[in-house]
Amino acid sequence: AQKVTQAQTEISVVEKEDVTLDCVYETRDTTYYLFWYKQPPSGELVFLIRRNSFDEQNEISGRYSWNFQKSTSSFNFTITASQVVDSAVYFCALYSGNTPLVFGKGTRLSVIA
Amino acid sequence: NAGVTQTPKFRVLKTGQSMTLLCAQDMNHEYMYWYRQDPGMGLRLIHYSVGEGTTAKGEVPDGYNVSRLKKQNFLLGLESAAPSQTSVYFCASSPTVVGETQYFGPGTRLLVL
Repeated sequence: AQKVTQAQTEISVVEKEDVTLDCVYETRDTTYYLFWYKQPPSGELVFLIRRNSFDEQNEISGRYSWNFQKSTSSFNFTITASQVVDSAVYFCALYSGNTPLVFGKGTRLSVIA
Repeated sequence: NAGVTQTPKFRVLKTGQSMTLLCAQDMNHEYMYWYRQDPGMGLRLIHYSVGEGTTAKGEVPDGYNVSRLKKQNFLLGLESAAPSQTSVYFCASSPTVVGETQYFGPGTRLLVL
């Protein structure tokens, strides 16, 4: 069965610190897709990134970067030089086995000025 | 292009009352989904639809019914609301299910007294 674990329930950092959000997934399929979504205090869910299982290259988008490691079944998300606007709940999600998306329980990030 | 919209934004029900949540998307997506979000539980799939006239059960379908009479609309019904259905409900859509990004509506906050 597919499963996503976000072990960090809450993280608090001081502005300008770097922070990494962990995501560990489980699937028996060789083809799968991983996602990160952001949920700011306003409540909407914002898509951040989609990565398929055949592309292990790390991705960088501004202050955001993602580290995909199949060997450890992890898809971690790093925010560099965090800002108060990064405060949100972040969800990791997995699609595999032709079943709908499975979400982790989320990590609440608080960035303190 | 409004994306995914949800009606209403907020609703208070008494136990035993019924209501219907409406989701509409203007992206011509085939797949639509209903999730509920509860504190510490992440997003859990209630029902989904792979096309007009089709529906399928998700992880937590009990107490809910859905209909997809038109491709752009996906309705979620509560026939007899219970306090356990107090939650935030999100609708999402995607072009297909195979690894495609899901785009979410703004959510509906439901309180059942």
